[in-house]
Amino acid sequence: GDSVTQMEGPVTLSEEAFLTINCTYTATGYPSLFWYVQYPGEGLQLLLKATKADDKGSNKGFEATYRKETTSFHLEKGSVQVSDSAVYFCALSRQGAQKLVFGQGTRLTINP
Amino acid sequence: DSGVTQTPKHLITATGQRVTLRCSPRSGDLSVYWYQQSLDQGLQFLIQYYNGEERAKGNILERFSAQQFPDLHSELNLSSLELGDSALYFCASSVEGLVDTQYFGPGTRLTVL
Repeated sequence: GDSVTQMEGPVTLSEEAFLTINCTYTATGYPSLFWYVQYPGEGLQLLLKATKADDKGSNKGFEATYRKETTSFHLEKGSVQVSDSAVYFCALSRQGAQKLVFGQGTRLTINP
Repeated sequence: DSGVTQTPKHLITATGQRVTLRCSPRSGDLSVYWYQQSLDQGLQFLIQYYNGEERAKGNILERFSAQQFPDLHSELNLSSLELGDSALYFCASSVEGLVDTQYFGPGTRLTVL
């Protein structure tokens, strides 16, 4: 079945550091890929998405590129802020499917 | 604020009991999704309704059921509760069942003692 694997957390960085959170997936066909963010005490918010190979999703300084050859969708940000502290979920949705399949989430803490 | 509302915010109950979680989708959204977030299972899709009809089913236990009413709000019923049912239950809604435009509510935290 479809699955998403994220790098183990928690991840702790200093402000202005470079961030990478790895995400790889297993799915048949050409799924759409997503990153969601969950701030403390809140629901999930869509951060960015990509719907086909080589697409780059970007938002709020975060970006991720859909790499079909490595089945990956790694999240990156050049300079993180304390306000980026949250749990990040990688997810996929197969074409025609009505559900999101999530990775286990990665807790990110940014220290000032 | 996503526009999706869930009540109650917190629920504490005992094993064997039954509870109902409520979700109101964003205005204009016809589709409602339920997800369970637990420490051991992560975030899992339970079930989806579209305009009152069940559209897709995920890892939903037989003790759980859901429905979507004519006003489009949805309820998730959990019965014969077990300790392992303690989790955050999220509702999401989208326009016309487009999964990549789901907006999530703040969740209901269920604690089974």
